Amino acid sequence: AQSVTQPDIHITVSEGASLELRCNYSYGATPYLFWYVQSPGQGLQLLLKYFSGDTLVQGIKGFEAEFKRSQSSFNLRKPSVHWSDAAEYFCAVGLNTGGFKTIFGAGTRLFVKA
Amino acid sequence: GAVVSQHPSWVICKSGTSVKIECRSLDFQATTMFWYRQFPKQSLMLMATSNEGSKATYEQGVEKDKFLINHASLTLSTLTVTSAHPEDSSFYICSAEGQGNYGYTFGSGTRLTVV
Repeated sequence: AQSVTQPDIHITVSEGASLELRCNYSYGATPYLFWYVQSPGQGLQLLLKYFSGDTLVQGIKGFEAEFKRSQSSFNLRKPSVHWSDAAEYFCAVGLNTGGFKTIFGAGTRLFVKA
Repeated sequence: GAVVSQHPSWVICKSGTSVKIECRSLDFQATTMFWYRQFPKQSLMLMATSNEGSKATYEQGVEKDKFLINHASLTLSTLTVTSAHPEDSSFYICSAEGQGNYGYTFGSGTRLTVV
């Protein structure tokens, strides 16, 4: 069965430090991959997506992610974190099987300390 | 780009009453809409898939008689939580797909609190 694993429930980084959020997926074919951010009480905002092509994907707010097929990973990175980046981050797999369903990881809560 | 609007943003209702949540695609025709639920501090789980003009397909464990989904037009799908109970309190969010827009654009979500 398809699944998405985010091994870190929460991560704390200092403002200005680099960030990497891990994501692994299980899927038979090359999936559509996404990262979303959710601020408390808010909806989901799409940070970036990978469908095909260049495995390094640039997103909004200075985020990027790299698709590594051999590792079934799609880790999210940011070189310098800002306090406003504190939020919940969800990695997701999109399955285009008679409708585009999204399977979410459990999420990683990012805390940013001054 | 594709915009999905959801209304209301939050609602409080009494136990036993019904609540209707709307999901609209503003700038494209959505042949398919998806409804997700998120319990506090948990991830989002797909509840059901609705195709315009046909009955919704529910995921395993989701009560179709409790969560009524209507997708009567290409721009509107509604989720009605019938006879709501406190355990239905959750964050409900929709996404829409159609006209080349895959279902990865989400509405802003609805926070339902049943008291």
